[in-house]
Order: sequence, then structure tokens, then C-alpha cells
Amino acid sequence: GAVVSQHPSWVICKSGTSVKIECRSLDFQATTMFWYRQFPKQSLMLMATSNEGSKATYEQGVEKDKFLINHASLTLSTLTVTSAHPEDSSFYICSASPGGAITGELFFGEGSRLTVL
Amino acid sequence: GENVEQHPSTLSVQEGDSAVIKCTYSDSASNYFPWYKQELGKGPQLIIDIRSNVGEKKDQRIAVTLNKTAKHFSLHITETQPEDSAVYFCAASIGYGGSQGNLIFGKGTKLSVKP
Repeated sequence: GAVVSQHPSWVICKSGTSVKIECRSLDFQATTMFWYRQFPKQSLMLMATSNEGSKATYEQGVEKDKFLINHASLTLSTLTVTSAHPEDSSFYICSASPGGAITGELFFGEGSRLTVL
Repeated sequence: GENVEQHPSTLSVQEGDSAVIKCTYSDSASNYFPWYKQELGKGPQLIIDIRSNVGEKKDQRIAVTLNKTAKHFSLHITETQPEDSAVYFCAASIGYGGSQGNLIFGKGTKLSVKP
């Protein structure tokens, strides 16, 4: 299957700092990428849909100024958690679908574990 | 909007036995139903999927069945092995790929296969 890479895989930061997470599609182009948040022992919660060259679409209840998404190229989307606080600690996962494909498969990155002290 | 229910939340089987996980969905427009396996600390990995024009799909020890009328689909794992132990998520989506491809996930099933 297609490969989606996330970086960093884990990060620890102090409260009030900003953290950037990268999501790359390594062997395909993705006009759309998705960002999820997952709390321990819970399911994946869609945060936003990242669209290449345009603004991201955020799900209800997700603060767009808190979670900045940039999709500057067909292979890279970034999620920046601004002014992070302990409650932002979570497992963040991105996914992407090969652009233009009708197959529909979503491929996920390995996830990024954020711990805010 | 779409709502996906998944049962059971935990499942423990002996090695070699079969495991079945069931999901129901609410939106009859959903037409793509993937299953993901997530190991601890890792992202979900697609293991099998099925589309609304197919009733059953099989890949070695894994099979998925879909009942569109009842709006439910199931994952079947035969001859389970300890390495099958993980959390399994079902999902449903409307449309294929692109911005239509955002998935609605079930709450997950933690499968434990005892040697």
C-alpha cells in the first residue's frame, strides 16, 4: 500500500510553546489529507480536512486558531499546535488518499504522540 | 450524519479460534467500509475493505461481510494467532477518495489472542 510518514513520532514540550507535526505522502500525491486526534483507549476523532492550496476544513468544536493546518504541497501537510497546554496532550494521526483515485483507501501515518508538560 | 457502532469493545480468544467483530452504520448512503488494525503506539493499518456493491470479501485468514439492508458489516478472523492481538476499528464513508473520503470510525475492539 501507499506510505504516509509522520514526524516527529513523539514530542515533549513545555506549556505555552508551539509544536509542528509533519505528514508526508512518500509515494503518491495527496490533494487531501486528514488529521485525527486519539485519546488513550479511544477511537480516532477527525479534527480537520487539509486541502492542498486552500484552507483546511475543521470539524465542529475544533479550534482553527489552536490547530493550524498548512497543506502547501501535494505531499506535505503540517499541523501546528499553538500555545500548547497539557490538555492538548494526545496522539495525533494523519491520513491521505492517493489523489484522484477512486479506490477510496486511506493510508495512515504512524502517529505523533504529543506530551505537554 | 453517519454514526458507526462497534461490538464488542473487548474480545479474548484462544489461539486457533475464530474472532468476529461487528459494526452497524446509520447512513444508507455510506458505500465504503474499511477495517483497520492498530497496534500500541502506532497508526492504524488497513487490513481489508469492502464496498457497497459487494457482499463478502476474503483475504487469507481475514474476511469481511456486508449486509446493506441491515446496515451492518462484520470482520472475521480465522485461525487466530497471537500477533493478531491489537485494536481493530471499523469505519464507514460516503464516496470515494478525496474530500469525500473522510471516515467515521467505530470505537474499536481490543482483540487478545491467548497462546
